[in-house]
Amino acid sequence: DVKVTQSSRYLVKRTGEKVFLECVQDMDHENMFWYRQDPGLGLRLIYFSYDVKMKEKGDIPEGYSVSREKKERFSLILESASTNQTSMYLCASSLPRDRGRWQPQHFGDGTRLSIL
Amino acid sequence: AQSVTQLDSQVPVFEEAPVELRCNYSSSVSVYLFWYVQYPNQGLQLLLKYLSGSTLVKGINGFEAEFNKSQTSFHLRKPSVHISDTAEYFCAVRINTGNQFYFGTGTSLTVIP
Repeated sequence: DVKVTQSSRYLVKRTGEKVFLECVQDMDHENMFWYRQDPGLGLRLIYFSYDVKMKEKGDIPEGYSVSREKKERFSLILESASTNQTSMYLCASSLPRDRGRWQPQHFGDGTRLSIL
Repeated sequence: AQSVTQLDSQVPVFEEAPVELRCNYSSSVSVYLFWYVQYPNQGLQLLLKYLSGSTLVKGINGFEAEFNKSQTSFHLRKPSVHISDTAEYFCAVRINTGNQFYFGTGTSLTVIP
């Protein structure tokens, strides 16, 4: 089974802090994703990466950056945390296309981040 | 632009009754369709997927979904729900070009004993 591990289940930080959320997958997946999940808004894509050192902005990248130095690890960075970044953050990974068909994503358990 | 619409934000249903969770998408190109389930305090787990072939797709836990290209829909169904099916359900679309998944806003299914 694919395992996607997020380093923290719950995290509390102060405004202005630099926050790191870590995600590791054990299935050699090329694609990795960071989402935030808020009530009534579903999942919104922050950033994704389709290979080491490659990244692309999603729908809501403002206030975030990412790092993918190794294939198995994808980090989300809040440069200067603000209260409106309080949310549930979900990491996912997937294989690239297989014979032209996209493969499903596999998700971690999420990190519930509170910014005070 | 792509979008995924889940028409019902909350669906209460009695135990052992059938349920249908609706999902519509907008896309002019080929799509790949997925349903995910999220139990409290957990990440998303894949229920089923449509990549190609038969339009009726069977997934885990007795769920199935039917891809209807003319209606641009991918509704999720189960003939008889259990208490353990209480969860949030997300429909997702991936288009043939591009790297992104697009998620609906979720449907909260509550099974009443």
